[in-house]
Amino acid sequence: GQQVMQIPQYQHVQEGEDFTTYCNSSTTLSNIQWYKQRPGGHPVFLIQLVKSGEVKKQKRLTFQFGEAKKNSSLHITATQTTDVGTYFCAGPLRFTSGTYKYIFGTGTRLKVLA
Amino acid sequence: ETGVTQTPRHLVMGMTNKKSLKCEQHLGHNAMYWYKQSAKKPLELMFVYNFKEQTENNSVPSRFSPECPNSSHLFLHLHTLQPEDSALYLCASSQDGGRNTEAFFGQGTRLTVV
Repeated sequence: GQQVMQIPQYQHVQEGEDFTTYCNSSTTLSNIQWYKQRPGGHPVFLIQLVKSGEVKKQKRLTFQFGEAKKNSSLHITATQTTDVGTYFCAGPLRFTSGTYKYIFGTGTRLKVLA
Repeated sequence: ETGVTQTPRHLVMGMTNKKSLKCEQHLGHNAMYWYKQSAKKPLELMFVYNFKEQTENNSVPSRFSPECPNSSHLFLHLHTLQPEDSALYLCASSQDGGRNTEAFFGQGTRLTVV
């Protein structure tokens, strides 16, 4: 079945350093979504990428969708303590009913040391 | 406040108990989901309801029983659970079951089975 893997599983960085998490799918994706879950919180939608090679930015966050639409990355420039949390990517899988479910990646847990 | 409210936030139950988790969304969405989040596993989709109809049961044991009386409410009835069922149970909603809709998650119910 479809699998979505993320690396690294954990990342500790000093405040001000950059951070990147990578997402790899076993199948081609029609789109990919990214979510952030703060410690003790719930996943919150960040962004969706649809086009091959698409790059989107949200302040210090840069999201990229691979040319083959099988991988994606999230890069944070100059991390801050508010960036702490687990970042998940998610790709859609179509059910026979026609509805879709999102397969979530394994997540990357980011800790930022002040 | 995400527009998706889950109760209770915490629940401790014995293996012979019966309890129910409740989810309510105020976003006018038509699709609702139950996810399980364990410490060492990615988010696992359990059930999907689209326009009040259960479209998918992701091979979930029968000790978990969902109910969706209307498009705003979703329940998860629990009975004779096992300790390994202890996890964070997240409810989510989306506009519909399509592939380009973001999911809005509730804050979750932290379930401990003793």
